Amino acid sequence: DTGVSQDPRHKITKRGQNVTFRCDPISEHNRLYWYRQTLGQGPEFLTYFQNEAQLEKSRLLSDRFSAERPKGSFSTLEIQRTEQGDSAMYLCASSFPPLLEGGELFFGEGSRLTVL
Amino acid sequence: SQQGEEDPQALSIQEGENATMNCSYKTSINNLQWYRQNSGRGLVHLILIRSNEREKHSGRLRVTLDTSKKSSSLLITASRAADTASYFCATCGTSYGKLTFGQGTILTVHP
Repeated sequence: DTGVSQDPRHKITKRGQNVTFRCDPISEHNRLYWYRQTLGQGPEFLTYFQNEAQLEKSRLLSDRFSAERPKGSFSTLEIQRTEQGDSAMYLCASSFPPLLEGGELFFGEGSRLTVL
Repeated sequence: SQQGEEDPQALSIQEGENATMNCSYKTSINNLQWYRQNSGRGLVHLILIRSNEREKHSGRLRVTLDTSKKSSSLLITASRAADTASYFCATCGTSYGKLTFGQGTILTVHP
């Protein structure tokens, strides 16, 4: 299967712990996006990469959040000192061609975070 | 923040009926896309309409776009129980390459 894969699918952690999510995009896609979705809401944009460059970061992304895409392939999203309000589904998506040229997002199945 | 408002928030119909979902947005767009999400899963792209298009079809899907009213609608004809899902519109702005999603419409199709 050559779709977008995310790991882990579900993470339960205690408040104050750090968590890291990994996303492997479709191999020929140079753009990678992170979104957060809470129950009953649409996905909210967090950040996106073109190759290894992080081109935009939402104001939603506090200092406790950091994302990387070191070699322009897989990406990690780390949340430090988790809070209960971080509980959500974290969605990764990739695209090619660019969205402005009619590209679409291919989403992974998401990583669900529960902070106790 | 969410760009779009979707209407209705929830829609319940019988199999065979048509389902119409509406989306309004606030800023100029390059294109508008519709996605589907089954419960607890990732989103799947359905259809894209560019800002210079007014209507587009794909199988049982018909999407319209009215840029003067900043609104779009998605019509699913002859619905099936398997169409039960949440449907989201997403806008791509004119100067940045990301999608901004609405809050979605939950569609339930009863067999």
